[in-house]
Amino acid sequence: DTGVSQNPRHKITKRGQNVTFRCDPISEHNRLYWYRQTLGQGPEFLTYFQNEAQLEKSRLLSDRFSAERPKGSFSTLEIQRTEQGDSAMYLCASRTGAGNTGELFFGEGSRLTVL
Amino acid sequence: AQSVTQPDIHITVSEGASLELRCNYSYGATPYLFWYVQSPGQGLQLLLKYFSGDTLVQGIKGFEAEFKRSQSSFNLRKPSVHWSDAAEYFCAVGSDTGRRALTFGSGTRLQVQP
Repeated sequence: DTGVSQNPRHKITKRGQNVTFRCDPISEHNRLYWYRQTLGQGPEFLTYFQNEAQLEKSRLLSDRFSAERPKGSFSTLEIQRTEQGDSAMYLCASRTGAGNTGELFFGEGSRLTVL
Repeated sequence: AQSVTQPDIHITVSEGASLELRCNYSYGATPYLFWYVQSPGQGLQLLLKYFSGDTLVQGIKGFEAEFKRSQSSFNLRKPSVHWSDAAEYFCAVGSDTGRRALTFGSGTRLQVQP
């Protein structure tokens, strides 16, 4: 069973650097989500893909953030010119497209620390 | 806009005691409700979900939740807590129209005393 896979699991970077996270969803899932989770908080929605189309973006996703899902399979989340406030756990989730009631399957997350 | 409130930030119970974690939601139409659990350093695992039908839903690990429309609540319960239940619990609400993502509460951290 290959669940949702995220890499790297932990990234430490200096302020101003760019970072990229990768998410490999469950293979038959055509919907992919990115969430951000800060300490003591629940996950906050960032963006959503259906196949390769990015259908929704949160206001949390500033111009420094960009997400792609070029072939409708894996996705990348890039943060440019990182700031200390970007330190968080970035969670990826996927689900099937059958109706709107399917559960989200989460990866273990990529933790970003900006020094 | 949909929202979820989990009033209890931190709960401590003794092993073997019963547990109830509170969740209140705000949503204009019929909500789809979920409870997820997160262990330290891990992703989120689904415990149970409610879409329609019987308002008492059973989940994994002996958990259940009851949907009460009149109170806009979806509280999570377990009759006897095990030490391995110590984790963070998140309630989430989704919808069948418009926004396709789930909205999560801020979570309740459960500690289990021996």
